[in-house]
This record gives sequence, structure tokens and C-alpha cells, in this order.
Amino acid sequence: AQTVTQSQPEMSVQEAETVTLSCTYDTSESDYYLFWYKQPPSRQMILVIRQEAYKQQNATENRFSVNFQKAAKSFSLKISDSQLGDAAMYFCAYRSGGGGTSYGKLTFGQGTILTVHP
Amino acid sequence: GAGVSQSPRYKVAKRGQDVALRCDPISGHVSLFWYQQALGQGPEFLTYFQNEAQLDKSGLPSDRFFAERPEGSVSTLKIQRTQQEDSAVYLCASSLIGRPNEQFFGPGTRLTVL
Repeated sequence: AQTVTQSQPEMSVQEAETVTLSCTYDTSESDYYLFWYKQPPSRQMILVIRQEAYKQQNATENRFSVNFQKAAKSFSLKISDSQLGDAAMYFCAYRSGGGGTSYGKLTFGQGTILTVHP
Repeated sequence: GAGVSQSPRYKVAKRGQDVALRCDPISGHVSLFWYQQALGQGPEFLTYFQNEAQLDKSGLPSDRFFAERPEGSVSTLKIQRTQQEDSAVYLCASSLIGRPNEQFFGPGTRLTVL
């Protein structure tokens, strides 16, 4: 079974600065997808960024980028120019690329609470 | 509606009561997922539907948990004889067929069992 580990329960950053959230995962599969989700206090889970394991290039979405190290099974999220609205719980998640009855099932890490200081 | 909706947003139940949680997916979304999120933890998969077919229920923690989607649209998660350990946020997500990487989540139902 796949596992996702986020070793930082809490992180903080000053507004306009950069912060990196860590995530490691364990899998024996070669085809999979990795995600970072943001969950504000409203509880609505919002997709921040996605990485396909077969792509070597790191994904980027505006101020959000990832450092995907496939051999090390590491998938960190970098937030640049942090804004007050970035404050939330961040979850790393894994999805198997195979089909079958578990198609689409996401496995989440424990989460990292990000605080942004003005 | 524009997004996934869930009702009620909050539910308080006495231990031993039965509860029913509703999920309205985005119109046209064939795939529907339920997750359970304990306080301060990440969501955990419960079950998956494709249309009305429940293809995976491996995450349901006990036979007190039951989910259905009889017409392939609205889904209901039912918990019988609730226990304190059932207290959690229950999240629903939906996606188009063939787009499992684009799951849209609802706001969740916070269940508190006293």
C-alpha cells in the first residue's frame, strides 16, 4: 500500500517571503500522480498543483512550484511571495496511475498548517 | 449548482443514533468519492462510485457504514448506531469520467457524536 508522509505539522512564513513544505511517499509503482491540496478553515479542499510521475519537469503554477525527486520519493511544495491568503492546511496526496476499482482514489498525508505573518 | 454541495454542514448525533449525509456532485460528474477526515488529520478514502455502481468500498471502516447512489447522481453516506470515533468531517468529491486527477471537493459535513 502507498503511504504519504508530511513531517512538518506546522510551518510559518513572513508575507512576501518563500516557504517550502515537505512530503515523502512510498510506492512500488512507476505510474502515479502527486498533488498538493490547500484546505482553508472553510474546509473546501482546493487543488494547488499536480505532478505526473512520468514527467521529469517540475510543475509550476504561478507562485507555486514543486521539487519532484522521483528516486528519493520526495515531492516538496515551494510557495513564493507568500500572501496572507495562503494561510491554510496543506496536504500532499498520491494517486495510482493504474486502473481498476480504486481508480481515482487519493491517499493523503497528515497535513502541514501554514501560517503567514504580515 | 456550480460546485459539489453537501448537507447538512454540521450534524450532532447522540451515540447510537443513525445519520445520513448527502452529497450532490457537479452535474455530469460520473465519478464520486467519499473521504473521512478526523480532526487534524488528512482525509482517508471510504468508497468510490462510478454512476450508480459502487466499485470500491474498501475504506469503509465497519459494516455500520453504508453508501448508495441509486440514480447515479446524489449520493448518501449512512452511518448506523454512531459511535464517538465516527466524529469527523466527511468529504465528498466528484469528477468527470476519465478525469480522476480533477476531483472537485465539497465543503464537507462535520459529524459530532456525543
